[in-house]
Amino acid sequence: GESVGLHLPTLSVQEGDNSIINCAYSNSASDYFIWYKQESGKGPQFIIDIRSNMDKRQGQRVTVLLNKTVKHLSLQIAATQPGDSAVYFCAENPPARQLTFGSGTQLTVLP
Amino acid sequence: IAGITQAPTSQILAAGRRMTLRCTQDMRHNAMYWYRQDLGLGLRLIHYSNTAGTTGKGEVPDGYSVSRANTDDFPLTLASAVPSQTSVYFCASSDTAGGHTGELFFGEGSRLTVL
Repeated sequence: GESVGLHLPTLSVQEGDNSIINCAYSNSASDYFIWYKQESGKGPQFIIDIRSNMDKRQGQRVTVLLNKTVKHLSLQIAATQPGDSAVYFCAENPPARQLTFGSGTQLTVLP
Repeated sequence: IAGITQAPTSQILAAGRRMTLRCTQDMRHNAMYWYRQDLGLGLRLIHYSNTAGTTGKGEVPDGYSVSRANTDDFPLTLASAVPSQTSVYFCASSDTAGGHTGELFFGEGSRLTVL
């Protein structure tokens, strides 16, 4: 899975399967986390966010899970579609500081 | 709805030349940011501005300068470009409610190549 500052990992899934993208964040004081999606040649787009007082948050076909004990964040995409192929970034936000982005995970959806 | 507009989309530049990347937002967001994106390194913050008239340094500010004369515009200047500044540059804005950076809205990027 992804960690802030490491190389770009890749994940390939079959269309229709569920995808899980992982992220290890570094700052135990971070209390706000965001997932972004970046399609080729475009700017990142917001997917979903979660605050540290929550363990889970659901959106449309996406779920973010937060485990503060091990400083781990995951993004689950249900019924993955070809349009989900992109690079996914997690970002952590410590209080009164700027967002720090991870290096991203390349998701490829196979037909 | 335009959101964030960046210009130019792409530019090839000789080393030593001065270059300004332009960024304009129409969402009346207080905060604006400049990031550079390099493969394997994700998005790294260059400079930011929490409100018009103020700026701050990010993670990789050296060789870059910014100004924030008004709410809408946040240009990034490379005074004397070097090849290591070859990258894709993204401008972003946010409505900094809640004391956090919050959701960032990104432009489409400016690809800069310094030869």
